[in-house]
Amino acid sequence: KAGVTQTPRYLIKTRGQQVTLSCSPISGHRSVSWYQQTPGQGLQFLFEYFSETQRNKGNFPGRFSGRQFSNSRSEMNVSTLELGDSALYLCASRGLAEAFFGQGTRLTVV
Amino acid sequence: QKEVEQNSGPLSVPEGAIASLNCTYSDRGSQSFFWYRQYSGKSPELIMSIYSNGDKEDGRFTAQLNKASQYVSLLIRDSQPSDSATYLCAAPDILTGGGNKLTFGTGTQLKVEL
Repeated sequence: KAGVTQTPRYLIKTRGQQVTLSCSPISGHRSVSWYQQTPGQGLQFLFEYFSETQRNKGNFPGRFSGRQFSNSRSEMNVSTLELGDSALYLCASRGLAEAFFGQGTRLTVV
Repeated sequence: QKEVEQNSGPLSVPEGAIASLNCTYSDRGSQSFFWYRQYSGKSPELIMSIYSNGDKEDGRFTAQLNKASQYVSLLIRDSQPSDSATYLCAAPDILTGGGNKLTFGTGTQLKVEL
C-alpha cells in the first residue's frame, strides 16, 4: 500500500514569490491536513480538507491557502513568501483515526 | 485550547536500557493519543496509538495511558542507538465541522548511547 507522497521534496524561493506544494494521500483516505514545522514553533496546524472541502483552518495568514481535488490529492499555496515561511511543510493523510505523514517539503525562502 | 506538554530533553539512556518518555495533556475529554518518532531532517512516523486506559504493547514499545492523571507515556525496552530520535506526543482535537487536527507536544529528544 503506497504511503503519502509529497512533492517537491525541496524548494528554494525568494521573498515575494509564491509556491505550490502537492500531497497525494494514502489510497482511500479522504482527510488531508497540512502542518508547518519550524524549530521554534514545532508542528503547527495549517488546515484540513475532507472531500474537497476545507473543514478547519489554523491560525495562519490568508497568504496560506489550499485545495483538495476529487481524487483526494491536495495542494497548498503560499503567496508573497516571507523569510519566516522557511519551514518543513508536512501533509498528513487520515482514514478513521490515525494520521500518517508524507516525507515533507522543505521550503527555504531567501 | 488543548495543550500537550513534553520534556524537551535530551533524555540519554545507555544501550539496552528502558527509555521512558512522558506527556501530559490539558483536555480531560481527550480519548486517544499518538506517539510519533521523528529522525533529524525526516518527517514524523506513527509508532503507537492508544485509545483506552492502561497499557498497549507493540514489540519493544509500550504506551501507557492514565486518563485520571491526564498522563500518557511511551516505554522503549532494550533501547538501541537506532531509537535515537525526537518522540512527539499528539492528541486529536475534535473540531466543529466534524474535522480534527492533531495538537503536538514539542517533542522529547532521546539519545541512546553505546
